[in-house]
Amino acid sequence: QTVVTQEPSLTVSPGGTVTLTCASSTGAVTSGYYPNWFQQKPGQAPRALIYSTSNKHSWTPARFSGSLLGGKAALTLSGVQPEDEAEYYCLLYYGGAQQGVFGGGTKLTVL
Amino acid sequence: QITLKESGPTLVKPTQTLTLTCTFSGFSLSTSGVGVGWIRQPPGKALEWLALIYWNDDKRYSPSLKSRLTITKDTSKNQVVLTMTNMDPVDTATYYCAHSYLGMQLGILRAGDYWGQGTLVTVSS
Repeated sequence: QTVVTQEPSLTVSPGGTVTLTCASSTGAVTSGYYPNWFQQKPGQAPRALIYSTSNKHSWTPARFSGSLLGGKAALTLSGVQPEDEAEYYCLLYYGGAQQGVFGGGTKLTVL
Repeated sequence: QITLKESGPTLVKPTQTLTLTCTFSGFSLSTSGVGVGWIRQPPGKALEWLALIYWNDDKRYSPSLKSRLTITKDTSKNQVVLTMTNMDPVDTATYYCAHSYLGMQLGILRAGDYWGQGTLVTVSS
């Protein structure tokens, strides 16, 4: 069974920069896994942030960026704001977009 | 404006079959590249990808749940239906449907760019 792994929790200071990563049990993550990133706040549905590695949605704040880093998908927040405190999930697709697998999520604390 | 809304029972008994309907507006499931998928989230736990159906009736399932899931679409009604058989208390979760777009020529997959509000399904006798 394919497992997608994220950091369980990270803490960042307001105004700081933090990078969340997303690893696959099958090996290095490439653009062919179509990495997508989501933000979820308590009691809300997830909100899409990044698609296909590094593409932003029209509503995605400029401080969010996606990339591939060291064999993983990565989400970087630059100039973190208090409202960025949330759970972040990555989603990878396998078999040429056949099936999706979510990571376990990263709880980001802004402190 | 794209909207999606899930509907179905809030309570099902163990071994029963769950049927959930996603009713959407603002897009057509007959448009090339468009898909609608289902995702669930047990209370306090992570998201889990379940199934996805594309405009061309191509269906994708989570390998671990494939034997229990069926996804279908009714383009004329703007609805996607998910059935899950043999429900168990561990299937208690909020179930979401979401819009996706696969642009093969562009090499992009916009997964879950729009989500429904979710519906909590509890499995209990």
